[in-house]
Amino acid sequence: GAVVSQHPSWVICKSGTSVKIECRSLDFQATTMFWYRQFPKQSLMLMATSNEGSKATYEQGVEKDKFLINHASLTLSTLTVTSAHPEDSSFYICSARGQGAKETQYFGPGTRLLVL
Amino acid sequence: EDKVVQSPLSLVVHEGDTVTLNCSYEVTNFRSLLWYKQEKKAPTFLFMLTSSGIEKKSGRLSSILDKKELFSILNITATQTGDSAVYLCAVVGTSYGKLTFGQGTILTVHP
Repeated sequence: GAVVSQHPSWVICKSGTSVKIECRSLDFQATTMFWYRQFPKQSLMLMATSNEGSKATYEQGVEKDKFLINHASLTLSTLTVTSAHPEDSSFYICSARGQGAKETQYFGPGTRLLVL
Repeated sequence: EDKVVQSPLSLVVHEGDTVTLNCSYEVTNFRSLLWYKQEKKAPTFLFMLTSSGIEKKSGRLSSILDKKELFSILNITATQTGDSAVYLCAVVGTSYGKLTFGQGTILTVHP
């Protein structure tokens, strides 16, 4: 149980384009999903917290117009990187927390984004 | 601001050795501490600790929390090359489950 998927796992795009990443909880309902970013050899940095049916809460320094988050259902959240630039290249990871899972978060496999 | 510090930052051992990874924290409203293992992809869940002094065990891995001294340790006995990974410690200090991560410990186990 507690499986989280992400799609795509790899994406290469041109500068200026937008990229959408999906995060799904496969076998449980996720009331809260989290989006992280990880640079090489660094720890995970929380970007935003997404609750189903409401606006995402962004961490300080994260541009909400740049990183659009939608959590339309209890099993799906999406992160759209708008007008991507090379400095947006990173490893993006989502996690999901279920209704009865207390503080345990289960992570998706991550999406590697390379912006040329 | 919540803070998590892990030590050592990296560790190189040989198969069969026992290792102890440390995690200290400062958090306003502590709820739980979690350990994750990260290989090439996203972190996989190891343990969640909420109570002091109660050891959690899974095979060769074990972990314990000290809420008075604000730290946790992760022990790995009889290490194997498959244990090579980054081990992440995170604390939850809010009701909605936000994780604050430490820098991670890079463990390398040589044959």
